[in-house]
Amino acid sequence: AQSVTQPDIHITVSEGASLELRCNYSYGATPYLFWYVQSPGQGLQLLLKYFSGDTLVQGIKGFEAEFKRSQSSFNLRKPSVHWSDAAEYFCAVGAVGGNKLVFGAGTILRVKS
Amino acid sequence: NAGVTQTPKFRVLKTGQSMTLLCAQDMNHEYMYWYRQDPGMGLRLIHYSVGEGTTAKGEVPDGYNVSRLKKQNFLLGLESAAPSQTSVYFCASSYNLGTDFGNTIYFGEGSWLTVV
Repeated sequence: AQSVTQPDIHITVSEGASLELRCNYSYGATPYLFWYVQSPGQGLQLLLKYFSGDTLVQGIKGFEAEFKRSQSSFNLRKPSVHWSDAAEYFCAVGAVGGNKLVFGAGTILRVKS
Repeated sequence: NAGVTQTPKFRVLKTGQSMTLLCAQDMNHEYMYWYRQDPGMGLRLIHYSVGEGTTAKGEVPDGYNVSRLKKQNFLLGLESAAPSQTSVYFCASSYNLGTDFGNTIYFGEGSWLTVV
Protein backbone atom coordinates (compact mmCIF):
# COMPACT_ATOMS: atom_id res chain seq x y z
CA ALA A 1 0.00 0.00 0.00
CA GLN A 2 1.20 3.49 -0.74
CA SER A 3 1.87 6.10 1.92
CA VAL A 4 3.00 9.72 2.02
CA THR A 5 5.05 11.60 4.60
CA GLN A 6 5.28 15.35 4.83
CA PRO A 7 7.91 15.87 7.54
CA ASP A 8 7.18 19.55 8.20
CA ILE A 9 3.90 20.44 9.88
CA HIS A 10 4.54 24.18 9.75
CA ILE A 11 6.96 26.28 7.72
CA THR A 12 7.43 30.03 7.94
CA VAL A 13 9.24 31.96 5.22
CA SER A 14 9.72 35.62 4.48
CA GLU A 15 8.00 37.12 1.49
CA GLY A 16 10.34 36.97 -1.48
CA ALA A 17 12.35 34.08 -0.06
CA SER A 18 12.57 30.69 -1.72
CA LEU A 19 10.46 27.77 -0.56
CA GLU A 20 10.83 24.01 -0.51
CA LEU A 21 8.19 21.69 0.93
CA ARG A 22 9.20 18.11 1.42
CA CYS A 23 7.28 15.01 0.44
CA ASN A 24 8.39 11.40 0.72
CA TYR A 25 6.33 8.52 -0.53
CA SER A 26 6.33 4.80 -0.16
CA TYR A 27 5.22 2.71 -3.08
CA GLY A 28 6.68 -0.30 -4.84
CA ALA A 29 6.30 0.87 -8.41
CA THR A 30 6.17 4.14 -10.30
CA PRO A 31 3.56 6.30 -8.62
CA TYR A 32 1.43 9.17 -9.70
CA LEU A 33 2.35 12.18 -7.54
CA PHE A 34 0.41 15.33 -6.85
CA TRP A 35 0.61 18.56 -4.93
CA TYR A 36 -2.59 20.28 -3.84
CA VAL A 37 -3.05 23.61 -2.07
CA GLN A 38 -5.85 24.52 0.30
CA SER A 39 -6.57 28.08 1.35
CA PRO A 40 -8.47 28.57 4.63
CA GLY A 41 -12.10 27.55 4.31
CA GLN A 42 -11.64 26.37 0.77
CA GLY A 43 -11.40 23.11 -1.13
CA LEU A 44 -8.24 21.64 -2.62
CA GLN A 45 -6.72 23.01 -5.80
CA LEU A 46 -4.31 21.00 -7.90
CA LEU A 47 -0.90 22.68 -8.23
CA LEU A 48 0.89 20.08 -10.32
CA LYS A 49 1.21 16.38 -10.99
CA TYR A 50 3.75 13.84 -12.17
CA PHE A 51 3.06 10.56 -13.86
CA SER A 52 5.90 10.01 -16.32
CA GLY A 53 8.56 11.74 -18.39
CA ASP A 54 10.51 14.77 -17.27
CA THR A 55 11.13 14.54 -13.55
CA LEU A 56 10.86 18.31 -13.10
CA VAL A 57 7.26 19.39 -13.46
CA GLN A 58 5.90 22.89 -13.63
CA GLY A 59 2.63 23.86 -12.05
CA ILE A 60 0.41 26.82 -11.54
CA LYS A 61 1.27 29.91 -9.50
CA GLY A 62 5.00 29.55 -10.21
CA PHE A 63 5.42 26.25 -8.37
CA GLU A 64 7.53 23.34 -9.53
CA ALA A 65 8.32 19.90 -8.15
CA GLU A 66 11.02 17.36 -8.80
CA PHE A 67 10.51 13.62 -8.73
CA LYS A 68 13.55 11.78 -7.37
CA ARG A 69 13.05 8.05 -7.57
CA SER A 70 16.25 7.23 -5.68
CA GLN A 71 15.09 9.30 -2.71
CA SER A 72 11.36 8.50 -3.03
CA SER A 73 10.72 12.21 -2.91
CA PHE A 74 8.58 14.78 -4.70
CA ASN A 75 9.50 18.13 -3.17
CA LEU A 76 7.63 21.29 -4.05
CA ARG A 77 9.58 24.48 -4.72
CA LYS A 78 8.99 28.11 -5.48
CA PRO A 79 11.80 30.61 -6.06
CA SER A 80 10.06 33.62 -4.53
CA VAL A 81 7.12 33.31 -2.16
CA HIS A 82 4.24 35.78 -2.15
CA TRP A 83 2.01 36.55 0.83
CA SER A 84 -0.90 34.97 -1.06
CA ASP A 85 0.91 31.61 -1.00
CA ALA A 86 0.09 31.21 2.68
CA ALA A 87 -2.03 28.06 2.79
CA GLU A 88 -1.85 24.37 3.56
CA TYR A 89 -0.12 22.12 1.04
CA PHE A 90 -0.80 18.45 0.55
CA CYS A 91 1.26 15.87 -1.27
CA ALA A 92 -0.60 12.82 -2.58
CA VAL A 93 0.35 9.57 -4.25
CA GLY A 94 -1.67 7.34 -6.53
CA ALA A 95 -0.89 3.92 -7.86
CA VAL A 96 -0.65 3.22 -11.57
CA GLY A 97 -3.73 1.20 -12.34
CA GLY A 98 -5.14 2.04 -8.94
CA ASN A 99 -8.28 3.87 -8.00
CA LYS A 100 -7.57 6.24 -5.13
CA LEU A 101 -5.11 8.78 -3.81
CA VAL A 102 -3.38 8.71 -0.45
CA PHE A 103 -2.63 12.09 1.09
CA GLY A 104 0.07 13.31 3.41
CA ALA A 105 -0.82 15.12 6.63
CA GLY A 106 -0.14 18.51 5.07
CA THR A 107 2.29 21.38 5.61
CA ILE A 108 1.01 24.77 6.72
CA LEU A 109 2.92 27.60 5.09
CA ARG A 110 3.09 30.98 6.79
CA VAL A 111 4.53 33.96 4.96
CA LYS A 112 5.90 36.85 6.95
CA SER A 113 6.33 40.31 5.53
CA ASN B 1 -19.03 24.96 -14.76
CA ALA B 2 -20.25 23.76 -11.39
CA GLY B 3 -17.65 20.98 -11.07
CA VAL B 4 -18.13 19.19 -7.75
CA THR B 5 -20.87 20.54 -5.51
CA GLN B 6 -21.45 19.52 -1.90
CA THR B 7 -24.51 20.18 0.23
CA PRO B 8 -24.90 21.24 2.94
CA LYS B 9 -21.83 23.36 3.54
CA PHE B 10 -22.31 23.59 7.31
CA ARG B 11 -24.27 21.45 9.73
CA VAL B 12 -24.48 20.95 13.48
CA LEU B 13 -25.83 17.62 14.67
CA LYS B 14 -26.63 16.19 18.06
CA THR B 15 -25.10 12.88 19.02
CA GLY B 16 -27.22 10.06 17.66
CA GLN B 17 -28.85 12.06 14.89
CA SER B 18 -28.58 10.99 11.28
CA MET B 19 -27.84 12.99 8.20
CA THR B 20 -26.82 12.70 4.57
CA LEU B 21 -24.23 14.70 2.68
CA LEU B 22 -24.87 15.04 -1.02
CA CYS B 23 -22.17 15.30 -3.65
CA ALA B 24 -22.95 16.10 -7.26
CA GLN B 25 -20.55 16.34 -10.19
CA ASP B 26 -21.27 17.49 -13.71
CA MET B 27 -18.10 16.24 -15.40
CA ASN B 28 -19.36 12.74 -16.23
CA HIS B 29 -16.68 11.25 -14.00
CA GLU B 30 -16.74 7.56 -13.21
CA TYR B 31 -14.90 7.78 -9.88
CA MET B 32 -16.18 9.57 -6.82
CA TYR B 33 -14.75 9.79 -3.30
CA TRP B 34 -15.56 10.95 0.19
CA TYR B 35 -12.67 12.13 2.36
CA ARG B 36 -12.59 13.56 5.84
CA GLN B 37 -10.01 16.12 6.90
CA ASP B 38 -8.83 16.45 10.46
CA PRO B 39 -6.02 18.66 11.80
CA GLY B 40 -2.61 17.04 11.46
CA MET B 41 -4.00 14.01 9.65
CA GLY B 42 -4.48 15.24 6.13
CA LEU B 43 -7.29 13.75 4.10
CA ARG B 44 -8.39 10.22 4.82
CA LEU B 45 -10.54 8.25 2.43
CA ILE B 46 -13.88 7.13 3.85
CA HIS B 47 -15.54 5.43 0.89
CA TYR B 48 -15.24 5.61 -2.85
CA SER B 49 -17.06 4.49 -5.97
CA VAL B 50 -15.67 3.42 -9.32
CA GLY B 51 -18.97 3.66 -11.13
CA GLU B 52 -22.72 3.90 -10.81
CA GLY B 53 -24.07 1.29 -8.44
CA THR B 54 -20.67 0.48 -6.92
CA THR B 55 -19.10 1.46 -3.62
CA ALA B 56 -15.99 0.43 -1.73
CA LYS B 57 -14.45 1.08 1.68
CA GLY B 58 -11.53 3.37 2.18
CA GLU B 59 -9.27 3.89 5.18
CA VAL B 60 -11.88 5.01 7.71
CA PRO B 61 -15.31 3.64 6.72
CA ASP B 62 -16.75 2.85 10.15
CA GLY B 63 -19.85 4.83 11.04
CA TYR B 64 -20.55 5.87 7.46
CA ASN B 65 -22.55 4.49 4.58
CA VAL B 66 -22.62 5.57 0.95
CA SER B 67 -24.71 5.13 -2.14
CA ARG B 68 -24.15 5.82 -5.85
CA LEU B 69 -27.54 5.35 -7.44
CA LYS B 70 -26.82 7.87 -10.18
CA LYS B 71 -23.50 8.44 -11.86
CA GLN B 72 -23.45 12.12 -10.99
CA ASN B 73 -24.33 11.75 -7.30
CA PHE B 74 -22.50 10.21 -4.35
CA LEU B 75 -24.21 10.30 -0.97
CA LEU B 76 -22.50 9.97 2.40
CA GLY B 77 -24.70 8.97 5.33
CA LEU B 78 -24.14 9.11 9.06
CA GLU B 79 -26.71 6.83 10.68
CA SER B 80 -25.94 7.76 14.28
CA ALA B 81 -23.58 10.71 14.53
CA ALA B 82 -20.81 10.73 17.12
CA PRO B 83 -18.57 13.60 18.29
CA SER B 84 -15.62 11.77 16.67
CA GLN B 85 -17.25 12.45 13.32
CA THR B 86 -16.83 16.18 13.74
CA SER B 87 -14.74 17.00 10.71
CA VAL B 88 -14.58 18.64 7.34
CA TYR B 89 -15.83 16.35 4.61
CA PHE B 90 -14.66 16.61 1.03
CA CYS B 91 -16.19 14.99 -1.96
CA ALA B 92 -14.11 14.48 -5.08
CA SER B 93 -14.40 12.96 -8.51
CA SER B 94 -12.18 11.85 -11.37
CA TYR B 95 -12.11 9.86 -14.57
CA ASN B 96 -10.38 6.52 -14.37
CA LEU B 97 -7.74 7.46 -11.81
CA GLY B 98 -5.38 4.68 -12.73
CA THR B 99 -4.63 6.05 -16.18
CA ASP B 100 -2.57 8.95 -17.42
CA PHE B 101 -5.69 10.50 -18.86
CA GLY B 102 -7.78 10.33 -15.75
CA ASN B 103 -5.35 10.91 -12.97
CA THR B 104 -6.61 14.22 -11.62
CA ILE B 105 -9.07 14.42 -8.78
CA TYR B 106 -11.37 17.43 -8.54
CA PHE B 107 -12.57 18.45 -5.11
CA GLY B 108 -15.67 20.10 -3.78
CA GLU B 109 -15.42 23.00 -1.38
CA GLY B 110 -16.05 20.96 1.73
CA SER B 111 -18.79 20.40 4.27
CA TRP B 112 -18.17 21.40 7.87
CA LEU B 113 -19.91 19.03 10.26
CA THR B 114 -20.00 19.45 14.02
CA VAL B 115 -21.48 16.77 16.27
CA VAL B 116 -22.28 17.94 19.79
